Amino acid sequence: EIVLTQSPGTLSLSLGESVTLSCRASQSVSSDYLAWYQHKPGQAPRLLIYGASRRATDIPDRFSGSGSGSDFTLTISRLEPEDFAVYYCQQYGSSRFTFGPGTKVDIK
Amino acid sequence: EVQLVESGGGLVQPGRSLRLSCAASGFTFDDYAMHWVRQRPGKGLEWVSSITWESRNIAYADSVKARFTISRDNAKNSLYLQMNSLRPEDTAFYYCAKDPSGSSLGVFDYWGQGTLVTVSS
Repeated sequence: EIVLTQSPGTLSLSLGESVTLSCRASQSVSSDYLAWYQHKPGQAPRLLIYGASRRATDIPDRFSGSGSGSDFTLTISRLEPEDFAVYYCQQYGSSRFTFGPGTKVDIK
Repeated sequence: EVQLVESGGGLVQPGRSLRLSCAASGFTFDDYAMHWVRQRPGKGLEWVSSITWESRNIAYADSVKARFTISRDNAKNSLYLQMNSLRPEDTAFYYCAKDPSGSSLGVFDYWGQGTLVTVSS
């Protein structure tokens, strides 16, 4: 099973700031099959990025993903009020899909 | 608009069974693989099970294998999760999620709001 580690665990940021979240895999993720999700309390999770860098439908371009192999990042430019949430990375390169523990982005 | 609505959650005693349902609309259900993902209280997301569009390929997380059974009825646009021999550690919100592929790529492009399962005596 591929174990994903996300850092930091929590970030406190201000509106308009930019942030880079990290996701590291215990082994190389096949074909860069890495996705990012946003999850707010009481809501359905939302797919942001798949294939490490491809934005999902209707995702604004202030969200961008990069990386390959076992190191991936999600960058959020110019934080807006609706961006404060928990962000999860997830690998689908192996048949046992796994998520990272999440990074919480909250308002300073 | 894609909609996924889970139902069937509730309070159940350890060792008992529960069946979750997910009603899908807004897309051609039988074109896509489907998944169940759960979130235990205070924890992150955990993939539970997947089923391809024609039910030919099914997969389970080790934590639920031999206890849970995923199925679908394409005529009813519905996904199911039969949960047997429930344990307290199965307590979680259970989400139904759609795959962008019929063959279970493993990306979850649309999710339901979830249904809460509580296993307790």
